[in-house]
Amino acid sequence: DAKTTQPPSMDCAEGRAANLPCNHSTISGNEYVYWYRQIHSQGPQYIIHGLKNNETNEMASLIITEDRKSSTLILPHATLRDTAVYYCIVRVERSSASKIIFGSGTRLSIRP
Amino acid sequence: DAGITQSPRHKVTETGTPVTLRCHQTENHRYMYWYRQDPGHGLRLIHYSYGVKDTDKGEVSDGYSVSRSKTEDFLLTLESATSSQTSVYFCAISAGDSGYTFGSGTRLTVV
Repeated sequence: DAKTTQPPSMDCAEGRAANLPCNHSTISGNEYVYWYRQIHSQGPQYIIHGLKNNETNEMASLIITEDRKSSTLILPHATLRDTAVYYCIVRVERSSASKIIFGSGTRLSIRP
Repeated sequence: DAGITQSPRHKVTETGTPVTLRCHQTENHRYMYWYRQDPGHGLRLIHYSYGVKDTDKGEVSDGYSVSRSKTEDFLLTLESATSSQTSVYFCAISAGDSGYTFGSGTRLTVV
């Protein structure tokens, strides 16, 4: 699976949009971009994933560049409960060895 | 999380004793995974399973074994616990075409 690069930390004001970048310049054509987050001491939580089109769900939006070498996770109206470590991962879906390897992630702090 | 439970939630054990952690799912998902998480290392994959009796090693498998005799249960065994295995252990499940669902974790302390 391709490697991802994320900033180690970011902060955002409550109520504003939080934009978390991720670089995955070696991504292959059949690899999806996944985002998870981990709130302190809890298990990671799935947020969203996509292949090449932008995706939106009730939690967030995922913007993938046309060349697919980078993506941005957008939390439209950040709240204090969004303080967490956010992980960007690329992996092949429907693989017989469908495992994901976590990197260091981005520690997002939401300030009141 | 709904559909996946880990037991025990907390355990303290002595060095050299065997320990088994259990992951139980009610989602009938094919894939199951064991991760450990330590400060400064993030989540690291120990072992995973892609079906009953089908398992494979992850990044940090030394000192651990797993078994999956039925779809719903994935057991992680430390044959002889060491202090370096003090960690938080997370189990995850996946249907393969969607995201993972993680359990709440087991905090293991080896003294």
